[in-house]
Amino acid sequence: QVQLQQSGPGLVKPSQTLSLTCVISGDTVSSNSGSWNWIRQSPSRGLEWLGRTYYKSKWYNDYAVSVKSRITINPDTSKNQFSLQLSSVTPEDTAVYYCARDPGSGWPRFDPWGQGTLVTVSS
Amino acid sequence: DIQMTQSPSSLSASVGDRVTITCRASQSISSYLNWYQQKPGKAPKVLIYGASNLQSGVPSRFSGSGSGTDFTLIISSLQPEDFATYYCQQSYSALGTFGGGTKVEIK
Repeated sequence: QVQLQQSGPGLVKPSQTLSLTCVISGDTVSSNSGSWNWIRQSPSRGLEWLGRTYYKSKWYNDYAVSVKSRITINPDTSKNQFSLQLSSVTPEDTAVYYCARDPGSGWPRFDPWGQGTLVTVSS
Repeated sequence: DIQMTQSPSSLSASVGDRVTITCRASQSISSYLNWYQQKPGKAPKVLIYGASNLQSGVPSRFSGSGSGTDFTLIISSLQPEDFATYYCQQSYSALGTFGGGTKVEIK
């Protein structure tokens, strides 16, 4: 059974970098199937997919256009985890952030999800 | 980007009622449509994937149908634990856009 456990600060100052980590159990980040995703949820933007990392003989990343200039998602094979960094944050980036797996077999879907981290951007 | 429009945005229903939620895509997405259930303070949980496939462990009172641009989630007999918010999500493109949600409340 795959489980995702998130960690990271809940408060970030404007203009700084938001950093979150998602630890994987029951699967490996370098699996040749599937992808590892970050999604956020806010009252103003709803559920918004931010990006993903995946391995198919080499590492790939895809990012949402809305955050492409500010986002980095990195896998860490030694710790079996992946991370999100979002730079130059503003109050608009306040949201609950989730990590999620797309199993990569059959129909694409997000399953499972991490528990969520509320990140508030405020001075 | 593919836009996903859900209706209604909220509904009130009683235990035992049949509930229907619809989702429309701004362009054809074949059957690349998932449905999620979210309860307060929890992450979304997938119910239906590929428009009509029931996720393992999900009760059979949930069903999905549709293809192309129009999709439906049906709860055949609403149970107390089904009061939640439901989201559709297209998986046709990597962006994986979500609908705005349908909140199912107790009448």
